[in-house]
Amino acid sequence: GAVVSQHPSWVICKSGTSVKIECRSLDFQATTMFWYRQFPKQSLMLMATSNEGSKATYEQGVEKDKFLINHASLTLSTLTVTSAHPEDSSFYICSARVPGLDKNIQYFGAGTRLSVL
Amino acid sequence: GEDVEQSLFLSVREGDSSVINCTYTDSSSTYLYWYKQEPGAGLQLLTYIFSNMDMKQDQRLTVLLNKKDKHLSLRIADTQTGDSAIYFCAESIGDTDKLIFGTGTRLQVFP
Repeated sequence: GAVVSQHPSWVICKSGTSVKIECRSLDFQATTMFWYRQFPKQSLMLMATSNEGSKATYEQGVEKDKFLINHASLTLSTLTVTSAHPEDSSFYICSARVPGLDKNIQYFGAGTRLSVL
Repeated sequence: GEDVEQSLFLSVREGDSSVINCTYTDSSSTYLYWYKQEPGAGLQLLTYIFSNMDMKQDQRLTVLLNKKDKHLSLRIADTQTGDSAIYFCAESIGDTDKLIFGTGTRLQVFP
């Protein structure tokens, strides 16, 4: 299957700082990537859809200025958590679709655990 | 609205079959999926089924879909300790990219 890589896998930061998480498609070009958030022992919630070359589409209740998404190339989308606070601590997972294949199949990265002190 | 429910926990003996159930509410689902998540890791796509199918089998995995009752199940034959993980069902709605995930079922396999 297609490979999606996330970096870093774990990050600890101080309250008030910003953190950038990268999501890369390693063996394919992804025009669309997705960012999810998962709280402990809970399900995944879609935060936003990242479109290459255009603005991301955010789900209801997700702050655009808080969670900045940039999809500047066909293999890279980044999520920046700005002015992070302890309540932003969570597991963030990205996914991507493979163009040309079944458009409804998403391949997931390994996730990034964010801990804000 | 869209809602996907799963039982929280399932415990089985190694070698037995496991059946994980999922119910959903949105009748416009096009695809339904099963993902596996091991501790601290991302999601691995196990299998999926198109909404006009009743059954799909892939090696040890059998997916059954009852569209009338909006019920999806995943049967794992000859369950192994390596199958211990959280299993999420998910549905895609209409022609959108959006996936709605269930609450996840933690499968524990004991010797």
